[in-house]
Order: sequence, then structure tokens, then C-alpha cells
Amino acid sequence: DVQMTQSPYNLAASLGESVSINCKASESISRYLAWYQQKPGKPNKLLIYDGSTLQSGIPSRFSGSGSGTDFTLTIRSLEPEDFGLYYCQQHYEYPLTFGSGTKLEIK
Amino acid sequence: QVQLKESGPGLVQASETLSLTCTVSGFSLTSNHVSWVRQPPGKGLEWLGRIRSGGTTDYNSALKSRLRISRDTSKSQVLLKMNSLQTEDTAIYYCTRSVLWVSYFDYWGQGVMVTVSS
Repeated sequence: DVQMTQSPYNLAASLGESVSINCKASESISRYLAWYQQKPGKPNKLLIYDGSTLQSGIPSRFSGSGSGTDFTLTIRSLEPEDFGLYYCQQHYEYPLTFGSGTKLEIK
Repeated sequence: QVQLKESGPGLVQASETLSLTCTVSGFSLTSNHVSWVRQPPGKGLEWLGRIRSGGTTDYNSALKSRLRISRDTSKSQVLLKMNSLQTEDTAIYYCTRSVLWVSYFDYWGQGVMVTVSS
């Protein structure tokens, strides 16, 4: 199985700042990585797929980059609604696997 | 609009079988894939398995012997059955949608909390 290592575990930032979350695969997954946002009481939201493709309706302050084994989710100019948990997921091979999550908090 | 809603018992006894239902609306089960994903309290996400648009299934090998996913297209429902439950199976169980040819999830249900009691 492809292991996904996500960092940092916790991240504290202020409104308006930019942050980056990293995801590393145990083997090459080409560009096949997705990012999700998780917030209490709401369905998980797909942000990015295929490494860098923005899902419809997601603000352009979210961006994804990387290929092979190393990927990054960047959020520019943090808004209040951006705080929550973020997970990466490889969609290259089965079983599909997720990173352990990053909690983005307000500083 | 696309919606998925999980339902099932909140509490199950260890060694028993869990039965969950995912009722979907806004899309066809014969044109999309539906997966089940779970999340133990305070932990990460684990993909359990899926039923493809054509009705075939794929399972996480770690759970394959205990898991069965089926569907009733007339009711727009996907069913999950997991036997020999242990306390480690306590989790929020989500159903998710994937469109054809992709394996990421563009819609998720709200999830249903299942507690396995010993």
C-alpha cells in the first residue's frame, strides 16, 4: 500500500497569511493526489485533484503543486472559513490511502 | 443537487455485523462509483471499498474478508455490511461519490457515527 505522510501535524496562522501543507508518498503516484478540507458538521470538501487541478467552486487562493512523491497544498491570504483539518489522498492505486491530516488553526 | 446520506445503528455489539445504508440523490448509481470511508475518533481516514457504476466491487485488502458492499439501484441505496466487529471498528462511516474513471471523491455524506461496544 502507498503510505502518505503529511506535515505539519498542526499549523497556526493569522488571517491574511499564506500557509503550505506537505504530503509525501512512499512511492511515486505520478500527479494523482487530492486534497480535502474537513470541518465539523459539514461534508468533507474536495479542494484539489490530480495534484494541481482546482475543484469547481473552490476559491483560487487554494493551489496544489507537486508530482511523483512530494506534493504541497498552499492557501494564500487565509480567510476565517479556511481553518479546519486538511487531508491528502493518493488516487493512483488501490487501496486508496490518506495522509494523517493537518489541523490549521487561527493564531 | 448531489447528496449522500448515511444511516444505520449508532451502537453495535462486538462480534456482531454492522449494516449501513447510503441513500443518494441527484445522481445515478449506474453512472458513478460509491465508496465507503471511515474515520476512528481523532484519527485519519481509511478507504474501505467501493461499488463501481457497473456493480462490481473493490475492497481494501485489510478488511476484505469482513466486508461486503452492494446496492439497490431502485432505491438509490448502497449497502455496507461488516462482520465480526471489534471495538477498533468504532468510527464515523462516510459514503462518497466518484465520477467515472477517477478515484477521488467529489461529494461526501455527513457520516454516521458507529460505536462498537464490548
